[in-house]
Amino acid sequence: DAKTTQPPSMDCAEGRAANLPCNHSTISGNEYVYWYRQIHSQGPQYIIHGLKNNETNEMASLIITEDRKSSTLILPHATLRDTAVYYCIVRVVGGAQKLVFGQGTRLTINP
Amino acid sequence: EPEVTQTPSHQVTQMGQEVILRCVPISNHLYFYWYRQILGQKVEFLVSFYNNEISEKSEIFDDQFSVERPDGSNFTLKIRSTKLEDSAMYFCASSEAWRGGSTQYFGPGTRLTVL
Repeated sequence: DAKTTQPPSMDCAEGRAANLPCNHSTISGNEYVYWYRQIHSQGPQYIIHGLKNNETNEMASLIITEDRKSSTLILPHATLRDTAVYYCIVRVVGGAQKLVFGQGTRLTINP
Repeated sequence: EPEVTQTPSHQVTQMGQEVILRCVPISNHLYFYWYRQILGQKVEFLVSFYNNEISEKSEIFDDQFSVERPDGSNFTLKIRSTKLEDSAMYFCASSEAWRGGSTQYFGPGTRLTVL
């Protein structure tokens, strides 16, 4: 699976959009980009995933660049409850099915 | 909304004892996983399970560990003789499909403390 690079920490004001970047320059054509988050020591929570098109759900939007070498997770109106560690994971189709977690980005939402 | 459940939420045991961590995956899911997270460290894959067989296991998953689906709903992780370094959060996950486009959903975890 391709490696990902994320900033170790970010801050965002409550009510503003939080934009979390992820670099995955070695991504292959059949690899999906997944985003999870972990609040304190709770189980990782699925947020969103995509292959090449931008995706949106009730939690977030995922913007993938045309060359697929990077992506951005957007939380449109961040709340204090969005404070968490966010993981960007690239995962191959049909290969090893495990998720490989990195250190992620610790996002702090400030009041 | 269906969710993965795990019991107990916290297990304290003495070194050398056996522990069984239990998980109830989402009902129509067919693929099951265990991960662990030592305090302050990354979430690490332990094992994946499908059709009553281990599909993949990590180097961490040595002979002290075993998994079982004893009935149609439960999925268990057994640690035969616990060590101090087994202290961690253990997360169960399940997914509906095997392909990369499928999503793994995680349970809340069991905190294992080995004394």
